[in-house]
Amino acid sequence: IQLTQSPSLLSASVGDRVTLSCKGSQNINNYLAWYQQKLGEAPKLLIYNTNSLQTGIPSRFSGSGSGTDYTLTISSLQPEDVATYFCYQYNNGLTFGSGTKLEIK
Amino acid sequence: EVQLVESGGGLVKPGSSLKLSCVASGFTFSSYGMHWIRQAPKKGLEWIALIYYDSSNKYYADSVKGRFTISRDNSKNTLYLEMNSLRSEDTAMYYCAKDGLYWYFDFWGPGTMVTVSS
Repeated sequence: IQLTQSPSLLSASVGDRVTLSCKGSQNINNYLAWYQQKLGEAPKLLIYNTNSLQTGIPSRFSGSGSGTDYTLTISSLQPEDVATYFCYQYNNGLTFGSGTKLEIK
Repeated sequence: EVQLVESGGGLVKPGSSLKLSCVASGFTFSSYGMHWIRQAPKKGLEWIALIYYDSSNKYYADSVKGRFTISRDNSKNTLYLEMNSLRSEDTAMYYCAKDGLYWYFDFWGPGTMVTVSS
């Protein structure tokens, strides 16, 4: 399954509601996770199984979707959210999207 | 606190071999599957190998199948990746990661860099 993330670059203001998209080439059956990678760091798990928030992750992060289309939402963007976000599917093979780089405007 | 620390990376020539290690702490290592994932410079992420908690099953990405071998020593809380016939396209940061109970990764190490160049 190939994953297409959009946009590749997103610039938003502090406090904005931000939505990142991930589209699969086939049905993902909700086996989708989201990772945050800050510059020079390892990725960190934010969301698994489409909408389950990993322990310790702020509640401003949420996930949704079904079938081939999935979304990560940040309800109120904070400066520390600057990072690249990757979606990852584990329904059929194990593949990552190419990432969305999130910047502060 | 879960901790994973990789080591063993470095600069090697094409065709050579290298063995990476990942020491785990803060959880019952022998109860969880473990993965290796890599990231080429300024590129995306690529899963490359999985080993079950008891080493009963091992899976590889096509890009490394036949050249890389994943293994573990539960008595030492250590995961390994033996890499043979290295190519320039294997140049990447290599991360070990703990399985989150269904083939996603809930904790990652900081990574170890492998550079394959003549």
